[in-house]
Amino acid sequence: GDSVTQMEGPVTLSEEAFLTINCTYTATGYPSLFWYVQYPGEGLQLLLKATKADDKGSNKGFEATYRKETTSFHLEKGSVQVSDSAVYFCALSHSGNTPLVFGKGTRLSVIA
Amino acid sequence: DTAVSQTPKYLVTQMGNDKSIKCEQNLGHDTMYWYKQDSKKFLKIMFSYNNKELIINETVPNRFSPKSPDKAHLNLHINSLELGDSAVYFCASSSGRQEQFFGPGTRLTVL
Repeated sequence: GDSVTQMEGPVTLSEEAFLTINCTYTATGYPSLFWYVQYPGEGLQLLLKATKADDKGSNKGFEATYRKETTSFHLEKGSVQVSDSAVYFCALSHSGNTPLVFGKGTRLSVIA
Repeated sequence: DTAVSQTPKYLVTQMGNDKSIKCEQNLGHDTMYWYKQDSKKFLKIMFSYNNKELIINETVPNRFSPKSPDKAHLNLHINSLELGDSAVYFCASSSGRQEQFFGPGTRLTVL
């Protein structure tokens, strides 16, 4: 079945550091790919998405590119802020109203 | 207005009890979901409903019974609660665009 693998956390960075959270997937066909973020005590929010190969999703300074050849969707941000501290989830789904398959989440802590 | 709402936010109960969690969405979506997040933050689909019809039931014990009275509501009833049911339960909804909107979660603690 489909699966998503993302780097183990926690990740601790200083403010303004560069962030990369790796995500790879295994799936049949061409799923859509997502990054969701969960701030402490809150639900999940969509951060960005990409629906086909070579698409780049971006939001709030975060970016991820759908790489079909490496089955990857790595999350990057050039300069993190303390307010980016959260748990980040990589996920995929196929066409239609199908459930998301999540990675295990990566906790990011940004210190001032 | 809250897009996807859940009640209650916290639920503390004894083993063996029966409890319900309610979910409502005002986005006009036709598909709703229940996900379970365990203590390690891992999220897994439990149920999926489309237009009030059960689409997916992922090897969830039959103590869990979802009910969808209409397209905007998907409630989760749990019988005979066990310690292992302690988790955060998230409701979500979507339309054909695939993006899912999540509720704030219900933290269930079984003592």
